[in-house]
Amino acid sequence: EVQLVESGGGLVQPGGSLRLSCATSGFTFSGYWMTWVRQAPGKGLEWVANINRDGSQIHSVDSVKGRFTISRDNAKNALFLQMSSLRAEDTAVYYCARDVTHIDESGRYFDSYDFWGQGTMVTVSS
Amino acid sequence: AIQMTQSPSSLSASVGDRVTITCRASQGIRNDLGWYQQRPGKAPKLLIYAASSLQSGVPSRFSGSGSGTDFTLTINSLQPEDFATYYCLQDFNYPRTFGQGTKLEVK
Repeated sequence: EVQLVESGGGLVQPGGSLRLSCATSGFTFSGYWMTWVRQAPGKGLEWVANINRDGSQIHSVDSVKGRFTISRDNAKNALFLQMSSLRAEDTAVYYCARDVTHIDESGRYFDSYDFWGQGTMVTVSS
Repeated sequence: AIQMTQSPSSLSASVGDRVTITCRASQGIRNDLGWYQQRPGKAPKLLIYAASSLQSGVPSRFSGSGSGTDFTLTINSLQPEDFATYYCLQDFNYPRTFGQGTKLEVK
């Protein structure tokens, strides 16, 4: 059974740091891209960042560039999000998700997120 | 970044109804689009990828269509468990962007 379990959330002051973890099991972690998505209280989903299978490619949304770093440890089947210089607007539930690639008959690739964790809440407040 | 705009933002319907949610991209994204369902307090669930391909295990009453800039998610014969919020997500380029969501409520 595929499982993703986030941890590391909590209350942090503005300007502070936090490291989120996503422990995975039930699949070959090193065979998948992984993604972080967040959701501010009462708001919609926001894509945050993703990382390729060996950690050599990273993409992130502009609002977190230079502050958040996504990484992974394939030996431990774990995904991380190091967050620094936190702001009130970073307050959200943070989800990790498995990025599955589908290939159509013409060889085109499509990415989607087929398994998600339950989320971990990050609150940035003084 | 590509902007994804969903309509309506909310929708009231009854069990057994057929509903359609639309998603418009600010530029052409071929058919690089997925649809997700989120129930309150739960993680999102993948319904559709590549605009019209049904994810394994998702009931066939869900269907998607469209390409370029205009996409639709249709739910036939609404079931009680379908009342939730629905999001589109483009995977054409980075950063990936979600629509703002459509909340489907019981009439």
